[in-house]
Amino acid sequence: GAVVSQHPSRVICKSGTSVKIECRSLDFQATTMFWYRQFPKKSLMLMATSNEGSKATYEQGVEKDKFLINHASLTLSTLTVTSAHPEDSSFYICSARSSTGSTGELFFGEGSRLTVL
Amino acid sequence: AQSVSQHNHHVILSEAASLELGCNYSYGGTVNLFWYVQYPGQHLQLLLKYFSGDPLVKGIKGFEAEFIKSKFSFNLRKPSVQWSDTAEYFCAVNRGSQGNLIFGKGTKLSVKP
Repeated sequence: GAVVSQHPSRVICKSGTSVKIECRSLDFQATTMFWYRQFPKKSLMLMATSNEGSKATYEQGVEKDKFLINHASLTLSTLTVTSAHPEDSSFYICSARSSTGSTGELFFGEGSRLTVL
Repeated sequence: AQSVSQHNHHVILSEAASLELGCNYSYGGTVNLFWYVQYPGQHLQLLLKYFSGDPLVKGIKGFEAEFIKSKFSFNLRKPSVQWSDTAEYFCAVNRGSQGNLIFGKGTKLSVKP
């Protein structure tokens, strides 16, 4: 299957700093990428839908100024957590859909665990 | 709002036991259905999917799921589990091929050797 890679897999930062997480589709082009946040014992919560070359669409309750998403190319989307606080500590997962695919299947990255001290 | 319900939070089985994990969704239109698995320390990966046709879908590693439209269900089954099946299982639904996936809360499966 298609491969999606996230980097970094783990990051620890101080409160108030910004952290960037990259999501790359390695062997396919992804016009649409999704960013999820996974809470312990809870489902994956969609944060935003990222479309290449246009502004991301954020889900209700997600602060667009805090979680900056950029999808500059067909293989790369980035999530920047700005001015991170301990409550932002979580597991962030990206997923991508092939631009040529029609089945709706999403391919997931490994996830990035953010810990804000 | 569209939702996906997984009834069991944590299932504990012994090896060779049969498995059935429940999944129900609330949307009444045409849906695509998925089961994803997340092994400890690994990323989510697709186990199986249903789009149309035979409502009994076979996936990898001996898993299967049955789509019952009248019950809005897509339960996951495996006749005989192995210790290596220990993982978290997520049911997901989307409307149309381009829509976002809506996930259930996941069911953690622990298989005792």
